[in-house]
Amino acid sequence: RKEVEQDPGPFNVPEGATVAFNCTYSNSASQSFFWYRQDCRKEPKLLMSVYSSGNEDGRFTAQLNRASQYISLLIRDSKLSDSATYLCVVYLRGGYQKVTFGTGTKLQVIP
Amino acid sequence: DADVTQTPRNRITKTGKRIMLECSQTKGHDRMYWYRQDPGLGLRLIYYSFDVKDINKGEISDGYSVSRQAQAKFSLSLESAIPNQTALYFCATSDPTGGEGYGYTFGSGTRLTVV
Repeated sequence: RKEVEQDPGPFNVPEGATVAFNCTYSNSASQSFFWYRQDCRKEPKLLMSVYSSGNEDGRFTAQLNRASQYISLLIRDSKLSDSATYLCVVYLRGGYQKVTFGTGTKLQVIP
Repeated sequence: DADVTQTPRNRITKTGKRIMLECSQTKGHDRMYWYRQDPGLGLRLIYYSFDVKDINKGEISDGYSVSRQAQAKFSLSLESAIPNQTALYFCATSDPTGGEGYGYTFGSGTRLTVV
């Protein structure tokens, strides 16, 4: 089983729609969770951290479910500019820094 | 200027050639990383350095070497390039004060093709 798994998509949604992605992680001792955004052929950029109690940043909501070992990202009122690949990032404290990037979920927002 | 600058942006090289990818940062971070990204495989860690005297192998270091010339500079070398090293390479820095995994700043990437 992969350490971090994401549905690669693509998720094709119309403008204004709500879309959600999940990311599952295999190690229950994982400590920190993040969502990064990567535009086509560009570098990843931090979108938001994921807190145990859930957190919002404008149209974006991130949640953590430790019991089922997944994190989610909800995007409301999708914009064309939201089209990108969303990477799930998980930190596991270990013998060396263990930060694992998921392979990403591709979102395409359609006019 | 970008916080993390990678050179070159694109490179085509022949099998067996030695090539160096360079990275410099203005963030003032001690931590620097080299990743490669392949379709369907995500970002994989090649080497990382927590300060000038600390260099560590990542999960796929075979065939690569690095040099941390200064806090701001971290270069990646392919001693004898092979076609399966064709990939998009990213240099990154991080600031762990926001938590591990937080605050990664990536360079724009180097697209390397080995023919």
